[in-house]
Amino acid sequence: RKEVEQDPGPFNVPEGATVAFNCTYSNSASQSFFWYRQDCRKEPKLLMSVYSSGNEDGRFTAQLNRASQYISLLIRDSKLSDSATYLCVVNPPGSARQLTFGSGTQLTVLP
Amino acid sequence: NAGVTQTPKFRILKIGQSMTLQCTQDMNHNYMYWYRQDPGMGLKLIYYSVGAGITDKGEVPNGYNVSRSTTEDFPLRLELAAPSQTSVYFCASTQEETQYFGPGTRLLVL
Repeated sequence: RKEVEQDPGPFNVPEGATVAFNCTYSNSASQSFFWYRQDCRKEPKLLMSVYSSGNEDGRFTAQLNRASQYISLLIRDSKLSDSATYLCVVNPPGSARQLTFGSGTQLTVLP
Repeated sequence: NAGVTQTPKFRILKIGQSMTLQCTQDMNHNYMYWYRQDPGMGLKLIYYSVGAGITDKGEVPNGYNVSRSTTEDFPLRLELAAPSQTSVYFCASTQEETQYFGPGTRLLVL
């Protein structure tokens, strides 16, 4: 079983749509959770951290379910500029602040 | 601050050649990492460092070496390039939780 699993997509949605991405992780002792965004042929950048109580940043809402080892990202009112690959990222227990990356979910927002 | 910089941006190597991928950060971060990303795949950790003089293997270290003589620099060395090392290589650094990535080096081994 992969440590972090995501639906690879692609998700093609019209502008203004709401889209949700899901992710599961295998290590129940994982400490921290993130969503990173990666534009085509660019480096990953932090989109948002994911907290146990759920958190929102503008049009983006992240949720964590520790019991199910499940993370989600909801994007409301999609913009063309949201087109990217979204990486689910987990900080497993242990050392060196290492991160484990999912393979990513590709989103294309269509005009 | 330039953040994390990597050179070169792109390189073509012949099988058996060697090269060094350079990575520098100006944020005074102790933790630095090298990843490779193959098409459609997630990032795989090659090597990491928790401070100057300290390095350790990640998930896929075979065929690579690193050194960390200063806080700023974390070069990645390929000794005998193989086609399986064709990939995009990202360097990253962190002090807390957020990892900051360089723009990447695209390597093609023919």
